[in-house]
Amino acid sequence: QQQVKQSPQSLIVQKGGISIINCAYENTAFDYFPWYQQFPGKGPALLIAIRPDVSEKKEGRFTISFNKSAKQFSLHIMDSQPGDSATYFCAASGFVGSNYKLTFGKGTLLTVNP
Amino acid sequence: DTAVSQTPKYLVTQMGNDKSIKCEQNLGHDTMYWYKQDSKKFLKIMFSYNNKELIINETVPNRFSPKSPDKAHLNLHINSLELGDSAVYFCASSQEEENTEAFFGQGTRLTVV
Repeated sequence: QQQVKQSPQSLIVQKGGISIINCAYENTAFDYFPWYQQFPGKGPALLIAIRPDVSEKKEGRFTISFNKSAKQFSLHIMDSQPGDSATYFCAASGFVGSNYKLTFGKGTLLTVNP
Repeated sequence: DTAVSQTPKYLVTQMGNDKSIKCEQNLGHDTMYWYKQDSKKFLKIMFSYNNKELIINETVPNRFSPKSPDKAHLNLHINSLELGDSAVYFCASSQEEENTEAFFGQGTRLTVV
């Protein structure tokens, strides 16, 4: 059972455009929703995170929108740049069974063309 | 200073061999993890340790055995390697189990031939 569903699998955007990646979750016990960015040959690194008591969080060009009732959240990258080209993972953490876990979506490969 | 370091970065070995991957974090974190990333980039947790105590042990073959000699180290030993074990293995750490940022190492690309 996939706890966090992410789409699209890949995304191509022109420089200056808006990149949008969507995620949906099922477990209402999730209480922390981070996004990780991974460049080739590197480990994932935290980009931005949100807790369910707010509907939006913005950090520079990156914004998370969160819809608790729909159990969905999304990442918006404004003015996308070639340097943003990477794989993006949404994640959710909370109790799954008896353990507190960080569960990742399957990732979105973002390519920003110059 | 590297926050989470793992060695080696690349590991090529034959089927049936036993190998270890080492991980160290200098962040003073209480919780450490091993994740496996397959060829499709899917990240899946394998193990979680909190203060040297095993917290999470996903459905991983018992050929995989984590060892935490102290809070700053979490090593992964793999016995009788199989072709399907080929993947990138990431070590990570976080201050607590809950609601905090996980810091990842650079990964170990394991290739079993």
